[in-house]
Amino acid sequence: AQSVTQLGSHVSVSEGALVLLRCNYSSSVPPYLFWYVQYPNQGLQLLLKYTSAATLVKGINGFEAEFKKSETSFHLTKPSAHMSDAAEYFCAVSAWGNQFYFGTGTSLTVIP
Amino acid sequence: DVKVTQSSRYLVKRTGEKVFLECVQDMDHENMFWYRQDPGLGLRLIYFSYDVKMKEKGDIPEGYSVSREKKERFSLILESASTNQTSMYLCASSRGARDGSGELFFGEGSRLTVL
Repeated sequence: AQSVTQLGSHVSVSEGALVLLRCNYSSSVPPYLFWYVQYPNQGLQLLLKYTSAATLVKGINGFEAEFKKSETSFHLTKPSAHMSDAAEYFCAVSAWGNQFYFGTGTSLTVIP
Repeated sequence: DVKVTQSSRYLVKRTGEKVFLECVQDMDHENMFWYRQDPGLGLRLIYFSYDVKMKEKGDIPEGYSVSREKKERFSLILESASTNQTSMYLCASSRGARDGSGELFFGEGSRLTVL
């Protein structure tokens, strides 16, 4: 069975600071991993996805994530936070059968 | 631009009413999903469908049903709405690869309030 844990339901960073959002997964088979972003009153938008081609995955808006199998982690980072990055971020894992399992989300606040 | 469209962004219904939430996608995707989103609980899968007229229960199907008569349309039905069904409902679709590699495309969401 797959599951996803996002450490920290709320993260605050200063504008220009490093963004680090943590995600750990459990999966009995090599998974596909995703990060989604949700702006207020909107649906979820794909930031990036890992499909085993490369462990460091680059996404939109300057975000990237690194797959570490030994740590079962897929943390999301951005070198320099922007005010427009304030949103809810969800990590998700999927496997055979197309069922997705989402974390409970991390709300990112960017302080000017 | 590819799109998943949910018919209603905001609905207010009374307890016991029948509620229809409609979702249409224009990407010719085989798979369609309904999730509900609640604070602190993330997204929970209600029902999904791999093909026309096919449906599978997700994690929380109680109190819901679905209909998929056409490939592009997936409807969520609350037969008798209750206050604990007040939530944000998200529709999503993905291409047909069964290996899980196809990402989900989401609609804007339908925020339902049951009084």
